[in-house]
Amino acid sequence: QQPVQSPQAVILREGEDAVINCSSSKALYSVHWYRQKHGEAPVFLMILLKGGEQKGHEKISASFNEKKQQSSLYLTASQLSYSGTYFCGTESNEKLTFGTGTRLTIIP
Amino acid sequence: DAGVTQSPTHLIKTRGQQVTLRCSPKSGHDTVSWYQQALGQGPQFIFQYYEEEERQRGNFPDRFSGHQFPNYSSELNVNALLLGDSALYLCASSLRRGGLGTDTQYFGPGTRLTVL
Repeated sequence: QQPVQSPQAVILREGEDAVINCSSSKALYSVHWYRQKHGEAPVFLMILLKGGEQKGHEKISASFNEKKQQSSLYLTASQLSYSGTYFCGTESNEKLTFGTGTRLTIIP
Repeated sequence: DAGVTQSPTHLIKTRGQQVTLRCSPKSGHDTVSWYQQALGQGPQFIFQYYEEEERQRGNFPDRFSGHQFPNYSSELNVNALLLGDSALYLCASSLRRGGLGTDTQYFGPGTRLTVL
């Protein structure tokens, strides 16, 4: 089943913060976060593994609540380059299932 | 270091035809996953190849098949094309974690398939 992301869309002014949430009904091994700009491939942001291991970009932070099967991506001091659609991919049984995405628009 | 490459970039086919898409993984990666992304949607998992075998499969019909070669490159074949197969097809490569889950997947630029 597809994870649910919220919000579906958000508009921020440059410098503001945002939180994007991802929730699954399945027990998860890991959560992967990607950003996709229009017409481009998804770009890896972060992976959060069961047990606490994380890998990703230094300027991106995220959390993973294994018990609640939820993850959140924190974008602070947003820049124009942060615009795009953010997808979470939840891993269960070595399969990644992506959510429907959160469209983030940053305005000057 | 070459990233994931895919060919062709665009393809136009008619209903009933067959198509083959190609993917070369990032250097050092041994696992290739294929995804279908419809407009405005997230990528949908088709299948994953490792050691030249299909290891995992999503909810796609048998019309979708694939292959992995000894050099880890991969092909996606779709037979009897339907209008609904029009989408962006993404290939992602990763390094298998030996049963410890999926490591970071790096996506290629995709192949835009249009079925008329």
